[in-house]
Amino acid sequence: RKEVEQDPGPFNVPEGATVAFNCTYSNSASQSFFWYRQDCRKEPKLLMSVYSSGNEDGRFTAQLNRASQYISLLIRDSKLSDSATYLCVVNRNNAGNMLTFGGGTRLMVKP
Amino acid sequence: EAGVTQSPTHLIKTRGQQATLRCSPISGHTSVYWYQQALGLGLQFLLWYDEGEERNRGNFPPRFSGRQFPNYSSELNVNALELEDSALYLCASSLTQTGGTEAFFGQGTRLTVV
Repeated sequence: RKEVEQDPGPFNVPEGATVAFNCTYSNSASQSFFWYRQDCRKEPKLLMSVYSSGNEDGRFTAQLNRASQYISLLIRDSKLSDSATYLCVVNRNNAGNMLTFGGGTRLMVKP
Repeated sequence: EAGVTQSPTHLIKTRGQQATLRCSPISGHTSVYWYQQALGLGLQFLLWYDEGEERNRGNFPPRFSGRQFPNYSSELNVNALELEDSALYLCASSLTQTGGTEAFFGQGTRLTVV
């Protein structure tokens, strides 16, 4: 089993739709969580950190469920520019500051 | 403030040759990660350096090696290049804190083996 798992997609949604991605992690000692965005043939860039109480940044909402060991990302009112691959990242603090990336979920927003 | 820088941006090598890729982390960052991303695939973890030491290694053969220098910059070496080594090689840096911090990526080195 992979340490961080994501549905690879692709998720094909129309503009304006709401879409949600989930990510599960296997190491219960994980303490920090992030969502990254990667555009085609570009480097990943930090989208947002994920806090225990959940957090929102504009159209994006991230949530963490420690009991079930999953993280979610909700995108409201999808834009064409949201088309990208979204990577879930987990920090294993019991192994220093080791960051582990999921395989990514591809989102395609259509007009 | 300068971000993570990688050099070269593109590299073309012949099968069997050696490639050396370089990464300079963000100032103050002591952790450096290397990832391989073949076309259309996800990030595959290669190596993690922190405070000059190799902390973890992904499932790659020994011909993939590297090091971290006292100034925390890092080098990835790939010996005996094979065609399937053609990929985007990404370097990321982060602070070393038990609280956990995000990583920042360089723009990558695109290696082509012919």
